[in-house]
Amino acid sequence: RKEVEQDPGPFNVPEGATVAFNCTYSNSASQSFFWYRQDCRKEPKLLMSVYSSGNEDGRFTAQLNRASQYISLLIRDSKLSDSATYLCVVNLGAGSARQLTFGSGTQLTVLP
Amino acid sequence: EAGVTQFPSHSVIEKGQTVTLRCDPISGHDNLYWYRRVMGKEIKFLLHFVKESKQDESGMPNNRFLAERTGGTYSTLKVQPAELEDSGVYFCASSHAVGTGTYEQYFGPGTRLTVT
Repeated sequence: RKEVEQDPGPFNVPEGATVAFNCTYSNSASQSFFWYRQDCRKEPKLLMSVYSSGNEDGRFTAQLNRASQYISLLIRDSKLSDSATYLCVVNLGAGSARQLTFGSGTQLTVLP
Repeated sequence: EAGVTQFPSHSVIEKGQTVTLRCDPISGHDNLYWYRRVMGKEIKFLLHFVKESKQDESGMPNNRFLAERTGGTYSTLKVQPAELEDSGVYFCASSHAVGTGTYEQYFGPGTRLTVT
């Protein structure tokens, strides 16, 4: 079983749609959680950190359920520029810097 | 503020040759990480430096890989001798010092290594 599992995708949605991605992690000791986005042949870029019960940043909302070991990302009013691969990432460390464990990513294409 | 930089952006070498990748972290970031993505797989951790010390090298695949961070600034990752399965994209990331409370990692553009 993979340590971080994501929806396989791909997701193809029209502009303006709302889309949700899900992610589960296997290590209950995981302490910090992130969503990164990765454009084709580019580096992962931090989209959001998810530290407690979730947080919102503009059109993006991330939720964390520690009991179910489940993380989600909701994108409202999708833009063409949101097209990318979204990576669910967990980190065992909370009070210290530790390695990141990545999911394999979910590809999103927003269509005009 | 300059981001994480990596050199070269691409490298094509023959099996058995040596390649050295370089990473310059964000200024002031004590933590430096190396990751790798091979085709069709997720990004995997290789190792973690805190300043010049190796904090965790549990992800290094074998002893053909050698990472250094002399002086606690830039880091190099040498592959010697390279094998076909070493092909992939090697990412470097950095984060703030321990104790600052911020551990988000920022990634460089990667080095695409092709071993033929």
